[in-house]
Amino acid sequence: GNSVTQMEGPVTLSEEAFLTINCTYTATGYPSLFWYVQYPGEGLQLLLKATKADDKGSNKGFEATYRKETTSFHLEKGSVQVSDSAVYFCALSIAGNNRKLIWGLGTSLAVNP
Amino acid sequence: KAGVTQTPRYLIKTRGQQVTLSCSPISGHRSVSWYQQTPGQGLQFLFEYFSETQRNKGNFPGRFSGRQFSNSRSEMNVSTLELGDSALYLCASSSNSGAGELFFGEGSRLTVL
Repeated sequence: GNSVTQMEGPVTLSEEAFLTINCTYTATGYPSLFWYVQYPGEGLQLLLKATKADDKGSNKGFEATYRKETTSFHLEKGSVQVSDSAVYFCALSIAGNNRKLIWGLGTSLAVNP
Repeated sequence: KAGVTQTPRYLIKTRGQQVTLSCSPISGHRSVSWYQQTPGQGLQFLFEYFSETQRNKGNFPGRFSGRQFSNSRSEMNVSTLELGDSALYLCASSSNSGAGELFFGEGSRLTVL
């Protein structure tokens, strides 16, 4: 079946450190891939997405590349800020139905000043 | 513009009761999706409504149902509540395009005693 596995948290980093949150997937067909973020006290919001192999999604300094050969979509940021503290979710959708998402369990990130 | 509004934000019920949750989507969005979020299972897709019709359904028992009104507002109902139904229920709205981003509300936290 279709599934998403992301690294367990919590992840704790110092400001300006490099961030990687691993995400791998299992899917039939050609999924679209997403990273959503949930800041404290707020609803989930789309951070970035990629719809086909080798696409790179980017937003707010975060990047992720759709790697079909390794079935991965790792999230990276070169220099994290305290304001990046949040829970990050990797997700996929099948057959262009972007409303029926399959989610990872989320990775909590805490950035210390 | 106003975001996705979910009511109530918190509620406590006892086993065997039923509950109705409400979601008002972003103005102009006709698609409303519902998700259940628990610590152990993460986010799981319940169903999606578009133009008052259920368009997709997840793997939940028939105790979980929903509907959508002509103004796109949606409700979900859970009958004969079980302890395992305790969760955060999230609503997301989107435009109808296949690549439409999901916009989430802050959720309704249900506790079943």
